[in-house]
Amino acid sequence: DQQVKQNSPSLSVQEGRISILNCDYTNSMFDYFLWYKKYPAEGPTFLISISSIKDKNEDGRFTVFLNKSAKHLSLHIVPSQPGDSAVYFCAASDMYSGGGADGLTFGKGTHLIIQP
Amino acid sequence: NAGVTQTPKFQVLKTGQSMTLQCAQDMNHNSMYWYRQDPGMGLRLIYYSASEGTTDKGEVPNGYNVSRLNKREFSLRLESAAPSQTSVYFCASREGQDYEQYFGPGTRLTVT
Repeated sequence: DQQVKQNSPSLSVQEGRISILNCDYTNSMFDYFLWYKKYPAEGPTFLISISSIKDKNEDGRFTVFLNKSAKHLSLHIVPSQPGDSAVYFCAASDMYSGGGADGLTFGKGTHLIIQP
Repeated sequence: NAGVTQTPKFQVLKTGQSMTLQCAQDMNHNSMYWYRQDPGMGLRLIYYSASEGTTDKGEVPNGYNVSRLNKREFSLRLESAAPSQTSVYFCASREGQDYEQYFGPGTRLTVT
């Protein structure tokens, strides 16, 4: 059963507009969420994260929103740029609350395409 | 400062052959991880090592073994490769109480 879901396999956005990537989770023990960006033939790189005690975290053009009651988070990119074209993975951790295995649980990813 | 390095970048094996994927990090991190990524899937945890001398199974450990050789190096071994192990393998490391993991560039493995 998938604990982290990214229901949009791909998303196309015009350059300069806002990109919104969504992520849902089912495990209420997750207490930290991360977004990773991945270019082809490279490893994922960390983008931004949020603790479950917050509802928003901002870093330059990137903002992550967390709605804990809905078990939903989103990544906003404003304005979108051509270099933002990549696959974005949502990941979650229950490392300090779940008592189980270490490691991150990943969604399947959303391929963001920025159109010129 | 190279971060996380992985060798080889590409490998083709025949069914039944064995091989070891190498991973090293130069960030003095205690925790290291092996993930696999299949088409249309997210990364899935194979094994992890919370510190030198310890290893634990992740979500998909069957068919794999690992060795935490020292603090820097964490290797993944396929004793008898199967076509189902065709995947891209990523190694990652993490520091202390931080959540963020840092990934290597990956090894693309094909088993025929």
